[in-house]
Amino acid sequence: QQPVQSPQAVILREGEDAVINCSSSKALYSVHWYRQKHGEAPVFLMILLKGGEQKGHEKISASFNEKKQQSSLYLTASQLSYSGTYFCGTERARAGTALIFGKGTTLSVSS
Amino acid sequence: GAGVSQSPRYKVAKRGQDVALRCDPISGHVSLFWYQQALGQGPEFLTYFQNEAQLDKSGLPSDRFFAERPEGSVSTLKIQRTQQEDSAVYLCASSLRGAGRNEKLFFGSGTQLSVL
Repeated sequence: QQPVQSPQAVILREGEDAVINCSSSKALYSVHWYRQKHGEAPVFLMILLKGGEQKGHEKISASFNEKKQQSSLYLTASQLSYSGTYFCGTERARAGTALIFGKGTTLSVSS
Repeated sequence: GAGVSQSPRYKVAKRGQDVALRCDPISGHVSLFWYQQALGQGPEFLTYFQNEAQLDKSGLPSDRFFAERPEGSVSTLKIQRTQQEDSAVYLCASSLRGAGRNEKLFFGSGTQLSVL
């Protein structure tokens, strides 16, 4: 039931765009996105709820298609600070369950 | 403190030794979670507390792992008779209310456990 993230790694130059995907074989209530820099704690980016909501954080936005159990994270005009590993965390359609995280997508942005 | 605090930051244990990892969540946060993160992997769920009640311990890999949160604030994850496969970063996270819906997690920096 662990969500599957793709791609595993992305290498960008500053200003380029990237899309990170997250999919699950189980029905989902919500999808969370976190970013973790090396040796640091994961940091919350956004929550996507049922209804296909798109939420934004700086130039980072995301979508959630609950029918397909998929979410995508869009990073626009990437900055050096965007480098890190991005994790999606999925919440099953049942209250009171903890987030289950994917294996992560490592993003490297260079100048 | 302002964030989730974990101690120790690093722990080296000899195989067979018992270890105890501490987590201080954000004050007032009801929910507390423990995750295990192997090198290059995502956080894997271990257990979840709502106040002092352990509501889900389905992720604990064996009966050598034990967690408690006796007063609904500080939590301790104990690993008995450590094995090399226990080597990982142990992350603690807290959230304001119960698990689920609209609740973002605040993570600590983790305890890196190395079992030799």
